[in-house]
Amino acid sequence: AQRVTQPEKLLSVFKGAPVELKCNYSYSGSPELFWYVQYSRQRLQLLLRHISRESIKGFTADLNKGETSFHLKKPFAQEEDSAMYYCALSGVTGGGNKLTFGTGTQLKVEL
Amino acid sequence: GAGVSQTPSNKVTEKGKYVELRCDPISGHTALYWYRQSLGQGPEFLIYFQGTGAADDSGLPNDRFFAVRPEGSVSTLKIQRTERGDSAVYLCASTRGTGSHEQFFGPGTRLTVL
Repeated sequence: AQRVTQPEKLLSVFKGAPVELKCNYSYSGSPELFWYVQYSRQRLQLLLRHISRESIKGFTADLNKGETSFHLKKPFAQEEDSAMYYCALSGVTGGGNKLTFGTGTQLKVEL
Repeated sequence: GAGVSQTPSNKVTEKGKYVELRCDPISGHTALYWYRQSLGQGPEFLIYFQGTGAADDSGLPNDRFFAVRPEGSVSTLKIQRTERGDSAVYLCASTRGTGSHEQFFGPGTRLTVL
């Protein structure tokens, strides 16, 4: 069975401080990992995916298969980063890719 | 173009009633997913459509839940004999096709069963 764990419900940091949102997963196959973000009063949207190896809005995430982790990092937090962040794992289903989400981490960036 | 839309945005019903939730995917997106998000939880997969057919309905919690997509575009999630435990935000997402494509989410329908 596939599972995603986000141990922190709330993470509060000061503006300009580094951010790390933790995500661990369990999956028997080769996983595809994503970070989705939900800003206040907006819909859930993709932030980044591990196969793209991109930096989006200053965020990066590296897939560590040895530690089964996909932590989200940003060196300097900005006020506009305050949002709910969900780590998700994609599992193949009937040709599609259903997502298994963690419980989410609320990031609050304080001035 | 327009994103995924869902109607109604809010639905309040009484225990035992029947409800229908509608999802309009992005035009041309062949794959459509339904998720349910309970308070304090992440979205949980319910059902996946590729075209008109349900390719995976393993996430539907019981036979009170049913979904259709008769013309391969709009989808309706139907819940019979609603229970208080069905209260949640129901999310719809669509993608261009199979494979590892970004899922575009709708705003959700907040269902409250009194």
